[in-house]
Amino acid sequence: QVQLVESGGGVVQPGGSLRLSCAASGFSFSSYGMIWVRQAPGKGLEWVAFIRFDGSDKYYADSVKGRFTTSRDNSKNTLYLQMNSLRAEDTALYYCAKEMGGGVSSPGNWGQGTLVTVSS
Amino acid sequence: QSVLTQPPSASGAPGQSVTISCSGSSSNIGSNTVNWYQQLPGTAPKLLIYSNNQRPSGVPDRFSGSKSGTSGSLAISGLQSEDEADYYCAAWDDRLHGPAFGGGTKVTVL
Repeated sequence: QVQLVESGGGVVQPGGSLRLSCAASGFSFSSYGMIWVRQAPGKGLEWVAFIRFDGSDKYYADSVKGRFTTSRDNSKNTLYLQMNSLRAEDTALYYCAKEMGGGVSSPGNWGQGTLVTVSS
Repeated sequence: QSVLTQPPSASGAPGQSVTISCSGSSSNIGSNTVNWYQQLPGTAPKLLIYSNNQRPSGVPDRFSGSKSGTSGSLAISGLQSEDEADYYCAAWDDRLHGPAFGGGTKVTVL
């Protein structure tokens, strides 16, 4: 079955950097677009980034554009999110999700998330 | 602040029905299908309805979805205590090139 396992979260000071990883298994990773979604404590879901199945296109929410970069290594079935210039408002649980496929790019399967806390 | 608009809360007694609305625009719901996610306390979101009205295997038929124009809705019939959760609508947004989410609706079973 589809499994997505995020890692790399932690506590970082404002202005710092962090790289999140998402290890995928149970499906053909190289055939699906992948999505990062975050959820601030007690808040709703916010889309962060999308990367096409082959990494050819990447899109970002305005709130992270220029600071976050998503990438993937299809040989390792792993998705990444490089987060730079972190701010307090980036504090959230970060989920990776597999797109549904079949022409539908919205999230289907989700990981359990990794917590990022930006604080001095 | 969320791209899609949902009511913040909904409630009903066990056995009753509730309906949650989701309002969007031409760039999201108006041109793409609507998904619904259920998030139980302390857990990751789970896909509940996809392509407006399709249920993944394992989702009870008490949950149903529909879409009309730039709005979608989720109906829960025969409410059960385990349905207490946050429910989010989402639709791909052609301007964002990403999924637009609603702010979430907290369903309480009275």
